[in-house]
Amino acid sequence: AQRVTQPEKLLSVFKGAPVELKCNYSYSGSPELFWYVQYSRQRLQLLLRHISRESIKGFTADLNKGETSFHLKKPFAQEEDSAMYYCALKSGGSYIPTFGRGTSLIVHP
Amino acid sequence: EAGVAQSPRYKIIEKRQSVAFWCNPISGHATLYWYQQILGQGPKLLIQFQNNGVVDDSQLPKDRFSAERLKGVDSTLKIQPAKLEDSAVYLCASSFAPNTGELFFGEGSRLTVL
Repeated sequence: AQRVTQPEKLLSVFKGAPVELKCNYSYSGSPELFWYVQYSRQRLQLLLRHISRESIKGFTADLNKGETSFHLKKPFAQEEDSAMYYCALKSGGSYIPTFGRGTSLIVHP
Repeated sequence: EAGVAQSPRYKIIEKRQSVAFWCNPISGHATLYWYQQILGQGPKLLIQFQNNGVVDDSQLPKDRFSAERLKGVDSTLKIQPAKLEDSAVYLCASSFAPNTGELFFGEGSRLTVL
């Protein structure tokens, strides 16, 4: 069975500090990993996906198959990054993304 | 383009009553999902449709939950009878294809069961 673990419920940092939101997964095949974000009073939306290997709003995430991780990173946090972040996993044989429980990121001024 | 539309946004009912949620996906999106999100947890899939056919409903509590997408566009999720533990946000999402992993979510319908 596929599983996504986000160990931190809450991450609190100051503006300008580096941010790393952790995501670990369990799946034996070739996974596809995603980060979704939900800003206050907005709908859940895709932030980035590992296969595109792009930086969105300064965030990057690298798939580490050896450590089965897909941590989300940003070198300098901004107040507008405050949101709920969800890691999601889709296995090759499934059509359905499985979501982690989410991490609330709060960036203080 | 218009996003995924859901209604109602909020619903309060007593246990054992019934409730229905409606979803209109993005135009042209053949795949539609219903997720349940309980407070403090991530979204959990209830059912996935491809056009008007069910792809996966393995986590749908079929004794009380039902869903349909009769014409392959709009969908309705029904709970009857509701239990206290059904209190959650019900999220509808759609995608252009069934295996993209890129889902477009609605704003959700928040259900409170008293």
